Amino acid sequence: ELKVEQNPLFLSMQEGKNYTIYCNYSTTSDRLYWYRQDPGKSLESLFVLLSNGAVKQEGRLMASLDTKARLSTLHITAAVHDLSATYFCAVDAAGGTSYGKLTFGQGTILTVHP
Amino acid sequence: DAMVIQNPRYQVTQFGKPVTLSCSQTLNHNVMYWYQQKSSQAPKLLFHYYDKDFNNEADTPDNFQSRRPNTSFCFLDIRSPGLGDAAMYLCATSRVPGLLYNEQFFGPGTRLTVL
Repeated sequence: ELKVEQNPLFLSMQEGKNYTIYCNYSTTSDRLYWYRQDPGKSLESLFVLLSNGAVKQEGRLMASLDTKARLSTLHITAAVHDLSATYFCAVDAAGGTSYGKLTFGQGTILTVHP
Repeated sequence: DAMVIQNPRYQVTQFGKPVTLSCSQTLNHNVMYWYQQKSSQAPKLLFHYYDKDFNNEADTPDNFQSRRPNTSFCFLDIRSPGLGDAAMYLCATSRVPGLLYNEQFFGPGTRLTVL
């Protein structure tokens, strides 16, 4: 059974600081997704990582994937209040002709304060 | 704009009273998914359709059923809601399997309250 673990689960950051959220998964996969969720809202796709060494950046967020270590990171640079949300990683381990079934991590609740 | 639409956005029902949640999509995607997300938890897949082919997750209670009358619409039926079924229900779609990846696109969700 595929397990996906995020840490930390809670992250309180000061504005302007940098931090990294980690996502570990238990079985082989080369397809990993990061989503953002605001309170009471749905999931917004942030990044799609499809191969070992993939790196994607959007604004103050940068995501990477190391399939050999079964690890993805979401790095936050110079945090601002607008980044406060819950961040989920999700892994599609089926591969090939899968239906794209995702297994989600527990989520990291990020709070950015002055 | 192509999108995933869920109705209603908020649903209140009574304990044991059947309820139906609706999802429609204009993306023309082959696969539609239903997730349950309880407060402060990750989304949990209930089932999905690949075209008309229904795939139930092993731990989805029998109380939850789904219908997909056509490509655009999918329904979630909760036959006898219990207090533990109060949650956000998310619908998602993705394209045909076998592509390089199957990014899922989520609707806005329906918040279900059970009294």
